[in-house]
Amino acid sequence: EAGVTQSPRYAVLQEGQAVSFWCDPISGHDTLYWYQQPRDQGPQLLVYFRDEAVIDNSQLPSDRFSAVRPKGTNSTLKIQSAKQGDTATYLCASSRTGGGSGNTLYFGEGSRLIVV
Amino acid sequence: QQKVQQSPESLTVSEGAMASLNCTFSDRSSDNFRWYRQHSGKGLEVLVSIFSDGEKEEGSFTAHLNRASLHVFLHIREPQPSDSALYLCAVSPGANTGKLTFGHGTILRVHP
Repeated sequence: EAGVTQSPRYAVLQEGQAVSFWCDPISGHDTLYWYQQPRDQGPQLLVYFRDEAVIDNSQLPSDRFSAVRPKGTNSTLKIQSAKQGDTATYLCASSRTGGGSGNTLYFGEGSRLIVV
Repeated sequence: QQKVQQSPESLTVSEGAMASLNCTFSDRSSDNFRWYRQHSGKGLEVLVSIFSDGEKEEGSFTAHLNRASLHVFLHIREPQPSDSALYLCAVSPGANTGKLTFGHGTILRVHP
């Protein structure tokens, strides 16, 4: 079974530029999460979806960040007008509602963003 | 709002010596606790999940939960140099939510 796939793995931007990160969850997983992990810190939830619906985006900086999951499978996280403070690894995770082990999240390897 | 803190920030042990990591949380009604491992440049790998007070063993990893004292521990038996990584404690309010709150992690180094 393929794991969670993310691309690109790395991105280097100048302030003000835009970037999109793509995530392909594990097949059959209805819930998809985007986490932001600054260097030397734990991940912090940005947004999560169940199928195509946004369940919680309260921690997503809505002025510059957006996330979609139009068909309930793949998802895209976009950052417009990037700032140096956005430098972090962006992790995508997926899970299956009602799955075993109490809804375990499976993470991709992340997309590392550096904004200079 | 849930707060999760981990200690120590870093830990160095010799190969084969027990390693013990600590995690404290603020919301006693939390229902779901997980330990993840992250090798440098890689994603998170779930090690052990625990939902009730007591111990849960998965291979060489044992989680110990004590809700009354707001602690969840991870013990690593006979660690190998390949176990050197960032260890993250994650807490969620219920079994059916993925809204995890993570600590900042403990960097474990295992010397041969």
